Amino acid sequence: EDKVVQSPLSLVVHEGDTVTLNCSYEVTNFRSLLWYKQEKKAPTFLFMLTSSGIEKKSGRLSSILDKKELFSILNITATQTGDSAIYLCAADTGRRALTFGSGTRLQVQP
Amino acid sequence: DVKVTQSSRYLVKRTGEKVFLECVQDMDHENMFWYRQDPGLGLRLIYFSYDVKMKEKGDIPEGYSVSREKKERFSLILESASTNQTSMYLCASRPGANYGYTFGSGTRLTVV
Repeated sequence: EDKVVQSPLSLVVHEGDTVTLNCSYEVTNFRSLLWYKQEKKAPTFLFMLTSSGIEKKSGRLSSILDKKELFSILNITATQTGDSAIYLCAADTGRRALTFGSGTRLQVQP
Repeated sequence: DVKVTQSSRYLVKRTGEKVFLECVQDMDHENMFWYRQDPGLGLRLIYFSYDVKMKEKGDIPEGYSVSREKKERFSLILESASTNQTSMYLCASRPGANYGYTFGSGTRLTVV
């Protein structure tokens, strides 16, 4: 059975802190790892990672994949209150549907 | 931009009612999905469809059915709603395998 595990489940930080969110996966025929941000409504796409060791960046957010150790991290530097959200990671095997982790709820306090 | 529209943001239904949740996408995507999202459990796949009139069970299909008569529309049906189906329901679509999803805004269903 395909499995994606995220940690921590919940995190509270102060503005300006740097956070690291973790995602490990055990799936057959892995193709890619995706990160989404969910505020009050629809999850929005952040990154798709297919190759090991290549960092993807978007502003203060960055992510990297390790296909040998089967995990990915999402880093957020200089956090802002607008970063408060649930962060979802998902594994794609290309054959069925994405398998999601349970999400990490991030709360950034002023 | 691809748009995925779910017909209702909030719904309150009574136990035993038949409930229809509608999802429409406007970018000719092949694949459509229904998930439910519960605290601590993440997104769990209910059903998905990879083409018109084609459907496949996800991880938790019990108590649900789906319909895809047209490519742009994927409906989730609760034949007889129960309180344990109170949840956030998310619809998503993608062009095919190896693409990310575009999500709808979600329907928060409460069954009383």
